[in-house]
Amino acid sequence: GESVGLHLPTLSVQEGDNSIINCAYSNSASDYFIWYKQESGKGPQFIIDIRSNMDKRQGQRVTVLLNKTVKHLSLQIAATQPGDSAVYFCAEKLWQDKIIFGKGTRLHILP
Amino acid sequence: DTAVSQTPKYLVTQMGNDKSIKCEQNLGHDTMYWYKQDSKKFLKIMFSYNNKELIINETVPNRFSPKSPDKAHLNLHINSLELGDSAVYFCASSSTVNTEAFFGQGTRLTVV
Repeated sequence: GESVGLHLPTLSVQEGDNSIINCAYSNSASDYFIWYKQESGKGPQFIIDIRSNMDKRQGQRVTVLLNKTVKHLSLQIAATQPGDSAVYFCAEKLWQDKIIFGKGTRLHILP
Repeated sequence: DTAVSQTPKYLVTQMGNDKSIKCEQNLGHDTMYWYKQDSKKFLKIMFSYNNKELIINETVPNRFSPKSPDKAHLNLHINSLELGDSAVYFCASSSTVNTEAFFGQGTRLTVV
């Protein structure tokens, strides 16, 4: 079936530490995955993406890991800052450009 | 310039009314979407259009009718509004190749 799920609904991280947000997907045919950040009162904003022919992709302070064997995706944020506080979604682009979202993880940054 | 813009940002209306939300994208994308986000932040796809043609209709009540006059616009009309329609509605667009979708700022609809 189509589903993109997250293991933890809320994650609290000390400022300066690394954050890891996990996501499981169920469609083994999916070949494109996206991480979005949503701040309060705003629309989802693209962070990073990865295609199924890759295992890892790095951006500025963010890394996405893809494990196709267990259908698992993770977002790592290095040196977490107060501005990283938001809800993070993984998303999966399926056939007909259909993009489905996981439930979201709220990231709290502790001072 | 705003890539994906939707209006209005806030909409408060009474049950039974009919309302529309407008969306425009200036990215030259072929595909546009409407998503509904509930109070638990869950984002659910409602519709997608590609070059003015309806591609995805995710078991949305018939009271919801999208309209795409051209590939840069996708409007959402809602008839006979119900309390359960209260949510934030997001418009988005993407190109047809494997790229991300760009989202508007959302329209917070409150039905009273």
